[in-house]
Amino acid sequence: DAGVIQSPRHEVTEMGQEVTLRCKPISGHDYLFWYRQTMMRGLELLIYFNNNVPIDDSGMPEDRFSAKMPNASFSTLKIQPSEPRDSAVYFCASIPWGDSLDTQYFGPGTRLTVL
Amino acid sequence: GEDVEQSLFLSVREGDSSVINCTYTDSSSTYLYWYKQEPGAGLQLLTYIFSNMDMKQDQRLTVLLNKKDKHLSLRIADTQTGDSAIYFCAETLNNNDMRFGAGTRLTVKP
Repeated sequence: DAGVIQSPRHEVTEMGQEVTLRCKPISGHDYLFWYRQTMMRGLELLIYFNNNVPIDDSGMPEDRFSAKMPNASFSTLKIQPSEPRDSAVYFCASIPWGDSLDTQYFGPGTRLTVL
Repeated sequence: GEDVEQSLFLSVREGDSSVINCTYTDSSSTYLYWYKQEPGAGLQLLTYIFSNMDMKQDQRLTVLLNKKDKHLSLRIADTQTGDSAIYFCAETLNNNDMRFGAGTRLTVKP
């Protein structure tokens, strides 16, 4: 199994540009999570999906952030327009199901730098 | 070592105190975190401690930090069945990356 796949691994962009981060969860996993990691705040949950449906997006910082999961094998996190304070590492994670204590499988992360 | 280490399992009775221990790797870690993962939910930040502190208390949670031994612990007083979850310890590294432990699965028996 290839694990959770994220792309790109690194992204450098200028303020105001649109940024799209991509994630492919482990096949068969029903839950997908998007996290943001910064030094000051640690790991923050942004949004998560169950069977492609967004369940809780209360962690999405503002309207500039949006996430979609058009099918079970693909999700995107979009920032439009991007700002320097969005610079962080963005992680995607998946778990098989929600009714047991099961550890999350994290992708390698996308390191975003907004200049 | 290179890994953040935690015991994988802990079982306590309702009303008892739970103590979850963690050994981290980087003595220069600025922040140390405890996260909680409940079934079907994402990681939730429970608490964190800055490296110049040795104790932090927040309601039923007490975090103890021993920098000399690189040891972090989380104590949950009056543990309830709703506290059953996986608890992750995490440290920050020099390059601002985070390193997580494998998680301690806490089971609370009535």
